[in-house]
Amino acid sequence: EAGVAQSPRYKIIEKRQSVAFWCNPISGHATLYWYQQILGQGPKLLIQFQNNGVVDDSQLPKDRFSAERLKGVDSTLKIQPAKLEDSAVYLCASSPPTSGRTDTQYFGPGTRLTVL
Amino acid sequence: KQEVTQIPAALSVPEGENLVLNCSFTDSAIYNLQWFRQDPGKGLTSLLLIQSSQREQTSGRLNASLDKSSGRSTLYIAASQPGDSATYLCALNSGGYQKVTFGTGTKLQVIP
Repeated sequence: EAGVAQSPRYKIIEKRQSVAFWCNPISGHATLYWYQQILGQGPKLLIQFQNNGVVDDSQLPKDRFSAERLKGVDSTLKIQPAKLEDSAVYLCASSPPTSGRTDTQYFGPGTRLTVL
Repeated sequence: KQEVTQIPAALSVPEGENLVLNCSFTDSAIYNLQWFRQDPGKGLTSLLLIQSSQREQTSGRLNASLDKSSGRSTLYIAASQPGDSATYLCALNSGGYQKVTFGTGTKLQVIP
């Protein structure tokens, strides 16, 4: 079974530039998550999709961050414009359909963003 | 708001030693708790998942316990090996639609 795919793996940009990350979840997984992990901290949930609908984006800085999930499969996360404090690893995860909220999340390798 | 704390932040042990990693949380209304492993430059790998109704889970040399009343979980690693060196994160699943809150992690180094 193929895992969660993310690209690019690394990105270096200057502040005020724009950047986009892509995630392809495991086939059949209904739930998709984007996390931000700053060095030395645990991952922080930015946005959670159930199929192609947003169920939680309470910690997404909506003035600069946006995300969409195309046809309930792939997802893109965009930052426009980037700030220095956005330097982090952006992790995508997915989990299968569930009625019991008990399933494991499967993580991709992440995209390391450096904002100069 | 769920808050998750992991102590210590870093731990160094000699190979072969048994060790315990701690995870504390403030809201006991959870669906499950997971322990993850993160290797440098890589994503997270799930180690153990404990359902809210369970007290512990075991996988090989790993044993995770859950005590909701005290807001604590522990990850026990038996006979540690250098390959166990990684950052270990606990994550609480609470609220609607699998809202997950991660701890800050414990960086483990097992010295040969």
